[in-house]
Amino acid sequence: SQQGEEDPQALSIQEGENATMNCSYKTSINNLQWYRQNSGRGLVHLILIRSNEREKHSGRLRVTLDTSKKSSSLLITASRAADTASYFCATAGDLGRGSTLGRLYFGRGTQLTVWP
Amino acid sequence: SQTIHQWPATLVQPVGSPLSLECTVEGTSNPNLYWYRQAAGRGLQLLFYSVGIGQISSEVPQNLSASRPQDRQFILSSKKLLLSDSGFYLCAWRDLYNTGELFFGEGSRLTVL
Repeated sequence: SQQGEEDPQALSIQEGENATMNCSYKTSINNLQWYRQNSGRGLVHLILIRSNEREKHSGRLRVTLDTSKKSSSLLITASRAADTASYFCATAGDLGRGSTLGRLYFGRGTQLTVWP
Repeated sequence: SQTIHQWPATLVQPVGSPLSLECTVEGTSNPNLYWYRQAAGRGLQLLFYSVGIGQISSEVPQNLSASRPQDRQFILSSKKLLLSDSGFYLCAWRDLYNTGELFFGEGSRLTVL
């Protein structure tokens, strides 16, 4: 399966602390994306990292990608109560292979709770 | 700018009844469209995706079907709902020509009793 798997399933921290979530996948990818979902809402795209990139930053977010280990991590620095949500990684197939063109596969997510 | 609308937001249906969930996209043409299902506390399962009118790919065999009668309209249907069809259904479109990210609707929560 190409589906990503996030770890841990749940994470509970205090405001101001950093939160790190990990994602592992099984097949070659074109890019990996991270999404956020507030309870009962649709998902919102956070950041995309391409297979030829190793690290990317966006505000308080830092994403790393290790294609040799087929893993990625999402770091949220100086967390806030408003960061409480579920976070998902999603993998997009290797376009060169063609079989999964256009499809994104999601993991089960990490439920992050940030306490004030 | 592009927007995606999904309705109804909430639906309670008896077992054996039909289902129709609708999704429309505005502000873009020929989008790739997707239906995902999210069971309680679970990840997203890709159900269907479409690259154009009348072109539907099914990811998993199931009690559901999808149709794309117009370029920016994507419909999820069932003739007879099962209890296991309960879940949170999300429609999305993908910006393949720019960032490659998915844009999601607000979801439709279906409870089958």
